[in-house]
Amino acid sequence: DAKTTQPPSMDCAEGRAANLPCNHSTISGNEYVYWYRQIHSQGPQYIIHGLKNNETNEMASLIITEDRKSSTLILPHATLRDTAVYYCIVRGSNSGGSNYKLTFGKGTLLTVNP
Amino acid sequence: DAGVTQSPTHLIKTRGQQVTLRCSPKSGHDTVSWYQQALGQGPQFIFQYYEEEERQRGNFPDRFSGHQFPNYSSELNVNALLLGDSALYLCASSLVGRNEQFFGPGTRLTVL
Repeated sequence: DAKTTQPPSMDCAEGRAANLPCNHSTISGNEYVYWYRQIHSQGPQYIIHGLKNNETNEMASLIITEDRKSSTLILPHATLRDTAVYYCIVRGSNSGGSNYKLTFGKGTLLTVNP
Repeated sequence: DAGVTQSPTHLIKTRGQQVTLRCSPKSGHDTVSWYQQALGQGPQFIFQYYEEEERQRGNFPDRFSGHQFPNYSSELNVNALLLGDSALYLCASSLVGRNEQFFGPGTRLTVL
């Protein structure tokens, strides 16, 4: 799996958009970008994933650059409950391949301030 | 729709003992993965089970073993516990061919 680089911490004001960057310059053509978050003392929570097109769901938006070497997770209106460690993970497709595991780094601690 | 459940929530053992942790996957899921999360670190992949067989394994010694039952639930067994085995053990379930893994709340194991 390609290595990812994330800032160790970020702050965001409540109600504002939180933009979390991730660098994955060695990503290969069949690898997806996944985002998970982990609120203190809970299991990680799946947020979103994408291959090359931008993706949006009820939780967040994922913007992947055209060269796929970096991406940004956007929480459009951050709340205090969004305070968590956010993990950016690169992994190959689950279908037909053998690369099933998620390789977590240390992630970004996002603190949403009132 | 029940999510991933794990038991017990907390566990205290002494060095050399053996422990069994249990996981029930999310309804409809057939694949279970186990992760170990030490304090201040991201989760580390232990192994994954599908169709009652270990499909992939991370860099963990043979003291760590697992099992998947016909109802897709799973157990993680750790023998000859070491102090360094103290961690949060997470179970994640998924459906074969789908990319998302859904995690349970974890079991906090403390080895004294």
